Amino acid sequence: DVKVTQSSRYLVKRTGEKVFLECVQDMDHENMFWYRQDPGLGLRLIYFSYDVKMKEKGDIPEGYSVSREKKERFSLILESASTNQTSMYLCASSSRGQGQGTYEQYFGPGTRLTVT
Amino acid sequence: GQSLEQPSEVTAVEGAIVQINCTYQTSGFYGLSWYQQHDGGAPTFLSYNALDGLEETGRFSSFLSRSDSYGYLLLQELQMKDSASYFCAVSEQYNFNKFYFGSGTKLNVKP
Repeated sequence: DVKVTQSSRYLVKRTGEKVFLECVQDMDHENMFWYRQDPGLGLRLIYFSYDVKMKEKGDIPEGYSVSREKKERFSLILESASTNQTSMYLCASSSRGQGQGTYEQYFGPGTRLTVT
Repeated sequence: GQSLEQPSEVTAVEGAIVQINCTYQTSGFYGLSWYQQHDGGAPTFLSYNALDGLEETGRFSSFLSRSDSYGYLLLQELQMKDSASYFCAVSEQYNFNKFYFGSGTKLNVKP
């Protein structure tokens, strides 16, 4: 059974703290993604990684960085958390390529981050 | 850049058919996906269209018209468990594994 796990379901941090969100997938997928989801705004892509140590910015990378040192793990880092980063954060993974089944993204359960 | 438009909310009765539309603007369109998300849950993949036409998977079908930059998700024989948010997402030719999501349509199914 395919699985994407995220380190925390709920997280409360203070303004200015450095925050790490971890995501692990067990499907040997090349692609991994970080999204944030806010009411009325859908899912907005923060960063995308297509291989170990490779990354691309998404729509809203400001205030975030990422790390992919191992194929199965993709970390999202908030260098100095701010209240406007309070949100639901979703990690996803997918195969790389153009063939059948490579377009499906598998999502983790999400981390609801509150910054006070 | 990319922009996607879908209705924010749709209401239908159990047993009915409902269509959720998605119009998009993107440079170098490659494919259109649909995802379902129940309250408190993670999005799950429903379908993918890269070519014009209708793709059917059980009670759900997805349609794409590349010339009109338009697609829709068709849900037949609605059930209460279909109450959820539905998102369309597009990918582009230069990076076909990277998707941009719409803001979602909340479907309310009433008895």
